[in-house]
Amino acid sequence: GQQVMQIPQYQHVQEGEDFTTYCNSSTTLSNIQWYKQRPGGHPVFLIQLVKSGEVKKQKRLTFQFGEAKKNSSLHITATQTTDVGTYFCAGISWAGNMLTFGGGTRLMVKP
Amino acid sequence: DTEVTQTPKHLVMGMTNKKSLKCEQHMGHRAMYWYKQKAKKPPELMFVYSYEKLSINESVPSRFSPECPNSSLLNLHLHALQPEDSALYLCASSQFRTNTEAFFGQGTRLTVV
Repeated sequence: GQQVMQIPQYQHVQEGEDFTTYCNSSTTLSNIQWYKQRPGGHPVFLIQLVKSGEVKKQKRLTFQFGEAKKNSSLHITATQTTDVGTYFCAGISWAGNMLTFGGGTRLMVKP
Repeated sequence: DTEVTQTPKHLVMGMTNKKSLKCEQHMGHRAMYWYKQKAKKPPELMFVYSYEKLSINESVPSRFSPECPNSSLLNLHLHALQPEDSALYLCASSQFRTNTEAFFGQGTRLTVV
């Protein structure tokens, strides 16, 4: 079955440093979504990428979808304490019938 | 209204109890989901309802029984659970199946004693 892997599992950064999490799928994806889950909270949708090589920006967040549609990344510039949480990618297969979540990257930001 | 509402927020139940989790959305979404999330793990899909019909059951034990009474409501009936079933149970909805963003509820934190 489809597997989605995410690295790193954990990342500690000093406030102001950059952060990147990487997502890799065992199969070619139809599209990929990113979610953020704050400690004690629920996943909140951030963005969906559909096209090969697509790059989207949301303020300090930059999302990329690989040319082969098997990998994706999320980069945060100049982290803030409000960025703390776990970032999940979730891949959608070409069958389009379910989201498969990556293991998540837990971001901790030291003020 | 872009909310998915889940009740109760917390639930403690014994292994012989029967309880139900409830989920409601008024966004007109036609796909609804149940996920199970253990601590420090990603959400795991349990069930998918599409247009009020069960379309995916991810090999979930029969002690979990989903129900979709109408397009706005989703229930998860629990019976004879085990302590290892303790987890955060998340309900989500999306406009269509998977290719649009999923809105998650705040979850029910279930403890089985």
